[in-house]
Amino acid sequence: DTAVSQTPKYLVTQMGNDKSIKCEQNLGHDTMYWYKQDSKKFLKIMFSYNNKELIINETVPNRFSPKSPDKAHLNLHINSLELGDSAVYFCASSQDAGVTDTQYFGPGTRLTVL
Amino acid sequence: AQSVTQLGSHVSVSEGALVLLRCNYSSSVPPYLFWYVQYPNQGLQLLLKYTTGATLVKGINGFEAEFKKSETSFHLTKPSAHMSDAAEYFCAVKYGNKLVFGAGTILRVKS
Repeated sequence: DTAVSQTPKYLVTQMGNDKSIKCEQNLGHDTMYWYKQDSKKFLKIMFSYNNKELIINETVPNRFSPKSPDKAHLNLHINSLELGDSAVYFCASSQDAGVTDTQYFGPGTRLTVL
Repeated sequence: AQSVTQLGSHVSVSEGALVLLRCNYSSSVPPYLFWYVQYPNQGLQLLLKYTTGATLVKGINGFEAEFKKSETSFHLTKPSAHMSDAAEYFCAVKYGNKLVFGAGTILRVKS
């Protein structure tokens, strides 16, 4: 009965490859997010979707493309992976995009690019 | 610029001692403030949040935080540390529809 789940948990790949990370939430929330946590543990928002519509798109290389097939899923596709993409990627969801809404985080996907 | 500052990247306390983790933020509008905890190899879990109302907020696991507008602070405290409190703690502020995190503070609890 995991609230926010991500697959895979670990991902090791070569530079130049294309990979996807999947996220699903069973909380009935309308808004989902992707965060990147770098090697210094600094967390930064990448994207946010509300009702399948993109509402936050930070300064992220266009090699990163989020896709939301429905409200319960937000997947992250990364093209032409680079060494600097190595990080932990967290998916999160909230009831809405309101300022007081609590965000619930998934367990993270540790991406290692060799 | 929107920013969240956590003073001290590492804090070490003895078991049973007071825990104090500091957080200051920059905001020109009423802030919405959060503390999250991250245990090793896990996702972030909400400890507590301040939106409006009482400035002293109680959270899970005996933690609490006080919003002080005059000091633009939202420090996290716990009267008596337990070994299970060892984790990394993140302060976050909602700016518009974005949650901006501090750099985190690793709490070590010594027996």
